[in-house]
Amino acid sequence: RKEVEQDPGPFNVPEGATVAFNCTYSNSASQSFFWYRQDCRKEPKLLMSVYSSGNEDGRFTAQLNRASQYISLLIRDSKLSDSATYLCVGDSGGYQKVTFGIGTKLQVIP
Amino acid sequence: GAVVSQHPSRVICKSGTSVKIECRSLDFQATTMFWYRQFPKQSLMLMATSNEGSKATYEQGVEKDKFLINHASLTLSTLTVTSAHPEDSSFYICSASGLEGDTQYFGPGTRLTVL
Repeated sequence: RKEVEQDPGPFNVPEGATVAFNCTYSNSASQSFFWYRQDCRKEPKLLMSVYSSGNEDGRFTAQLNRASQYISLLIRDSKLSDSATYLCVGDSGGYQKVTFGIGTKLQVIP
Repeated sequence: GAVVSQHPSRVICKSGTSVKIECRSLDFQATTMFWYRQFPKQSLMLMATSNEGSKATYEQGVEKDKFLINHASLTLSTLTVTSAHPEDSSFYICSASGLEGDTQYFGPGTRLTVL
């Protein structure tokens, strides 16, 4: 089983829609989680860290469910510019390194 | 803050040559730098973790003699792909952490094409 699993999509949604991605992780010792955004042929850019209490940044909300070992990303009022691949990332339980999911591709359609 | 640069952004070389890629943290001291490789439509795969002044820790399946990593200072790490072959063609991305816990900040990547 992969350490971090995501549905690769693609998710095609109309502008203005709300879309949610889930990501599951297998390492119960993982403490830190992140969502990164990666545009085509570019490097990943940090979108937001994920906190146990959940956190919100504008139209983006991230949640962590430790009991079920998944994290989620909710995007409200989707914009065309949100089209990208969203990478779920979890640490390796205190060993500095992190593991990336394969990414979920989002395409926002006019 | 948290800017990481990478050079070169793109390189095309002949099979058998060596290629050096530099990764720099421009506005913070990176206690740890990471090197990843990403093939088309695949996830980023960690190749090695490097701490300043010590030997890099390579992931399983990554040949340390082929991918030489040097982390000479808190702001610079280099990856040298020795005797490159076409199967080494990939997108190589470095990241650096040290500013905020485990958060990694990525360089823009280097697209390597080996002919």
